[in-house]
Amino acid sequence: QMHLVESGGALVKPGGSLRLSCAASGFSFSDSKMSWVRQAPGKGLEWISDISSSGSVINYADTAKGRFTISRDNTKNLVYLQMTSLTTDDAAIYYCARDPRYFEFDPRGQGTLVAVSS
Amino acid sequence: EIVLTQSPATLSLSPGERATLSCRASHRISTYLAWYQQKPGQAPRLLISDASNRARGIPDRFSGGGSATDFTLTISSVEPEDSAVYYCHQRSAWPPGSFGQGTRLEIK
Repeated sequence: QMHLVESGGALVKPGGSLRLSCAASGFSFSDSKMSWVRQAPGKGLEWISDISSSGSVINYADTAKGRFTISRDNTKNLVYLQMTSLTTDDAAIYYCARDPRYFEFDPRGQGTLVAVSS
Repeated sequence: EIVLTQSPATLSLSPGERATLSCRASHRISTYLAWYQQKPGQAPRLLISDASNRARGIPDRFSGGGSATDFTLTISSVEPEDSAVYYCHQRSAWPPGSFGQGTRLEIK
């Protein structure tokens, strides 16, 4: 059964940086495209970035371009999201998802909370 | 950019009633549409892919339909555990795709 555990969320000041991690198990991680999706408090869902199974193809939402970097380690079944120049608009719960064609989240997952405040 | 508009914003039904949720796309997206269910404090759960294909383990009271610009998620007979926010999501234009703003389903 697929299991995704996000971590790394914290309270940071505007302009700060953070690295999120997602540990995957229960499926063939090295064959799977992965995505990060976020949800601001009380708001809807927003796709942030995806990375192909090999890591060779990466896409970003406009809100993430130039500030966020997605990467993966297929030897450790981990996907990362490095975030820099954070603003209050980046405050959200961040979820990772397996992404064969549509997002597959871990139904037991709660994401990782990023708060941005001075 | 393709905008998805969901209606109604909130739907309040009694157990056993039929729920019909709508998602309208600003441009034609064929059947590149999914539906997600999200309960408080939980990650979203994929219900329907490609407009009408139920995901693994999803009860058959959930069904999806539509194509091009108009899509529907139907719950044939709602149950108390169906209380959640439902989102549609399009993958026709990727990246970035887009989500609807959600429909809140309340079970009386």
